[in-house]
Amino acid sequence: SQTIHQWPATLVQPVGSPLSLECTVEGTSNPNLYWYRQAAGRGLQLLFYSVGIGQISSEVPQNLSASRPQDRQFILSSKKLLLSDSGFYLCAWRLGGHNSPLHFGNGTRLTVT
Amino acid sequence: GIQVEQSPPDLILQEGANSTLRCNFSDSVNNLQWFHQNPWGQLINLFYIPSGTKQNGRLSATTVATERYSLLYISSSQTTDSGVYFCAVRGAGSYQLTFGKGTKLSVIP
Repeated sequence: SQTIHQWPATLVQPVGSPLSLECTVEGTSNPNLYWYRQAAGRGLQLLFYSVGIGQISSEVPQNLSASRPQDRQFILSSKKLLLSDSGFYLCAWRLGGHNSPLHFGNGTRLTVT
Repeated sequence: GIQVEQSPPDLILQEGANSTLRCNFSDSVNNLQWFHQNPWGQLINLFYIPSGTKQNGRLSATTVATERYSLLYISSSQTTDSGVYFCAVRGAGSYQLTFGKGTKLSVIP
């Protein structure tokens, strides 16, 4: 069966420091991968998605970037964190093709101080 | 883009009560999912239901795609049902799910 791993679970970083969050999926190949952010309150905002290695689409211009160096690995990065980058970051995957459900990792709670 | 509206925004239930959560969407969809976000932040996939009716234990969901809405039914609610319930849809030709703002459910003993 497929599983998704996301780490770390929590992270406290100072303003201006770099960021790297990693997500890996097991038990499937060529998944579509997604990074979402949930700020204070409830809404989930799509940040990036990828349909294949090296293919990244950005939904919202911001201080963050994403990379997909391997088929089942998705990385969210920043060179210099801002206070506004604080939030709950969720990685998700689904099988390629249109009609398949989305599955989430457990999330990373990032606090920028 | 497609709009998703969930109601009610907040709901408080006595343990054992039943409830219905609603999701309206503004355009035809290829994908509709209901998620439960528990107090630890985990998003659990409840139903993948672009149309029709499904049941899983005390939970069931119905999507009427032609009328652009979906309902999530919770029967005999338990305190562990507390959390935020999200509806998310994907429109035709889109790679992404658009989420509603959620319904925050609190089940009190």
